[in-house]
Amino acid sequence: GAVVSQHPSWVICKSGTSVKIECRSLDFQATTMFWYRQFPKQSLMLMATSNEGSKATYEQGVEKDKFLINHASLTLSTLTVTSAHPEDSSFYICSASGRGTTGELFFGEGSRLTVL
Amino acid sequence: DAKTTQPPSMDCAEGRAANLPCNHSTISGNEYVYWYRQIHSQGPQYIIHGLKNNETNEMASLIITEDRKSSTLILPHATLRDTAVYYCIVTLPGNQFYFGTGTSLTVIP
Repeated sequence: GAVVSQHPSWVICKSGTSVKIECRSLDFQATTMFWYRQFPKQSLMLMATSNEGSKATYEQGVEKDKFLINHASLTLSTLTVTSAHPEDSSFYICSASGRGTTGELFFGEGSRLTVL
Repeated sequence: DAKTTQPPSMDCAEGRAANLPCNHSTISGNEYVYWYRQIHSQGPQYIIHGLKNNETNEMASLIITEDRKSSTLILPHATLRDTAVYYCIVTLPGNQFYFGTGTSLTVIP
């Protein structure tokens, strides 16, 4: 099946710093990528949708200036958490869909962010 | 925005079939039913999806009612490694996936 890889799998940073998470589709071209956030014992919450070469579309309540998303190529999307604070600590998961599929999404392994 | 309703938790004996229900009474004609599962601290894993007909693959079977308002995911011989949260999602191909609360399945030895 299609493979989506995220990096880093976990990161610890100081409050006020920025953290970048990468999401790569390894064996297919991802026309659309989705970023999710998951807090402990909760479900996945969609943050934004990004299409290759265009600006991301953010869900209501998600600050676009805080969570910068770049989808510059068909195999790479990045999420940058700017000026991170402890409340941004969460499990961030990306997913991708490609051309020619019947809509199923392929998810990365997730990135656990801890802001001290 | 999730269009599905699932029981919050279920138990299943190891080796028995696990039947996980999902209600999606507002599903539209072109929307698919997708099933994923998430093991703790991992990304969701694709299981199966379908539109109208029942589907089967190496992991599971998907039974969709004739009116398409509900479906059941069947794991034919549950193992301890099937313990996970199972999510049923209804959406158009290429559209966003909105996750509900899912069903936490515990397989008991």
